[in-house]
Amino acid sequence: QKEVEQDPGPLSVPEGAIVSLNCTYSNSAFQYFMWYRQYSRKGPELLMYTYSSGNKEDGRFTAQVDKSSKYISLFIRDSQPSDSATYLCAMSASVAGGTSYGKLTFGQGTILTVHP
Amino acid sequence: DSGVTQTPKHLITATGQRVTLRCSPRSGDLSVYWYQQSLDQGLQFLIQYYNGEERAKGNILERFSAQQFPDLHSELNLSSLELGDSALYFCASSQRGTAFNEQFFGPGTRLTVL
Repeated sequence: QKEVEQDPGPLSVPEGAIVSLNCTYSNSAFQYFMWYRQYSRKGPELLMYTYSSGNKEDGRFTAQVDKSSKYISLFIRDSQPSDSATYLCAMSASVAGGTSYGKLTFGQGTILTVHP
Repeated sequence: DSGVTQTPKHLITATGQRVTLRCSPRSGDLSVYWYQQSLDQGLQFLIQYYNGEERAKGNILERFSAQQFPDLHSELNLSSLELGDSALYFCASSQRGTAFNEQFFGPGTRLTVL
C-alpha cells in the first residue's frame, strides 16, 4: 500500500464549478502538506501548503488538513479553464537528525479538466 | 520559470547505456533534489543533497548515482539502463533543505530507453 493515496480522476467539470481534490495518507509523521499543480510538459509548482491540521485559504483555493483522519483536501472555487492541470498532493515529515529532511512523498495526481 | 535549469530536455538512448542528467539550482539555493516521474509510479523522490553532501535517500536504484558539486549544480548518473528507466526526471532546489522549505522544480529531462 502506498503511503499517500490520491483519487486518480480524471475529473472533468464545467467552468465555474467547485472542485474537490483529496488525498489520504498512512504515515503519522507527516506534518507538512502541500498541493502542487503541474501543467502538461512542465515541472510541478507549489500551489499551497499547510502545517499540521487546519484550513488555509488563498484566493479561490482552500486547503484543508484533518490529521485525525489522515485526510487532506484542496477546494477550487469558480474553476477556470486555466485551472486545467494535474494536481498532486505532497507531504513531508520533520524528523530531527533523521533522513526525511526535504523528502516529499507525492500522491499519484489527479488530472483536472475545466471546460468552458 | 522556476529558475531551476535542467539539461538535456530530451534523451533517447539504448538499454545498457549510461547517461548523465544535469541540474542547476536557483541562485542562493543550497539543496537539490532528484525525482522520477513515471505513469505507473507517479512522482518519486530519489535523493537530496545539501551544500555538496548527501542529505536523504529515497527509492534510488544502485545503478543510479548523484552528486552535488562545489558550485552547487548537480548531476544524476543512470547506468546499465533498462526499458523501465524511461521516465521524466525532475530536479528541484530549495534554500535550506529542511522539512518544509519550498522546492522549486525544473522543467525535467525526458529519458527514453529503447
